[in-house]
Amino acid sequence: RKEVEQDPGPFNVPEGATVAFNCTYSNSASQSFFWYRQDCRKEPKLLMSVYSSGNEDGRFTAQLNRASQYISLLIRDSKLSDSATYLCVVNLGNTGKLIFGQGTTLQVKP
Amino acid sequence: SAVISQKPSRDICQRGTSLTIQCQVDSQVTMMFWYRQQPGQSLTLIATANQGSEATYESGFVIDKFPISRPNLTFSTLTVSNMSPEDSSIYLCSVWLAGVIDTQYFGPGTRLTVL
Repeated sequence: RKEVEQDPGPFNVPEGATVAFNCTYSNSASQSFFWYRQDCRKEPKLLMSVYSSGNEDGRFTAQLNRASQYISLLIRDSKLSDSATYLCVVNLGNTGKLIFGQGTTLQVKP
Repeated sequence: SAVISQKPSRDICQRGTSLTIQCQVDSQVTMMFWYRQQPGQSLTLIATANQGSEATYESGFVIDKFPISRPNLTFSTLTVSNMSPEDSSIYLCSVWLAGVIDTQYFGPGTRLTVL
């Protein structure tokens, strides 16, 4: 079983749509959680961190459910510029090592 | 935030040769990491580059194949040795930064093609 699992997609949605990505992780000792965005031929960039209380950044909302070991990302009012691969990422602890999911590809179409 | 640069940005190499990739950060950082991203795949951690001591390698990666240097807190190199076409990947360095969000931030990557 992979340590961090995501549906690779692709998710093809029209502009303006709401889309949700999910991710599960296997290590219950995981301490912090993130969503990174990776554009084609570019490095991953931090999108947002994820907390149990949920956090929102504009059109993006992230949520963590520790009991179910489940992380989500919701994108509202999708833009063409949201087209990218979204990586679910888990930090196991004070080693600083991150575990990456395989990524979910989003394609927003006009 | 920090500015992270990598050299070269891309290279095409012959099998059997070696390539050294440099990673430079504009501020001192404690933790630096090297990743590989094979075509169509996610990121796989190669090793943690430790300043003043040997790198800590992940399972499946060995020092003879991927020697790493970390002479100071702003610089590291990764060498891909005795290359084969299977080593064709993007190689990324990252640093751990503590700030508003404590996490890793990535350099732009080095795209390596081995013929």
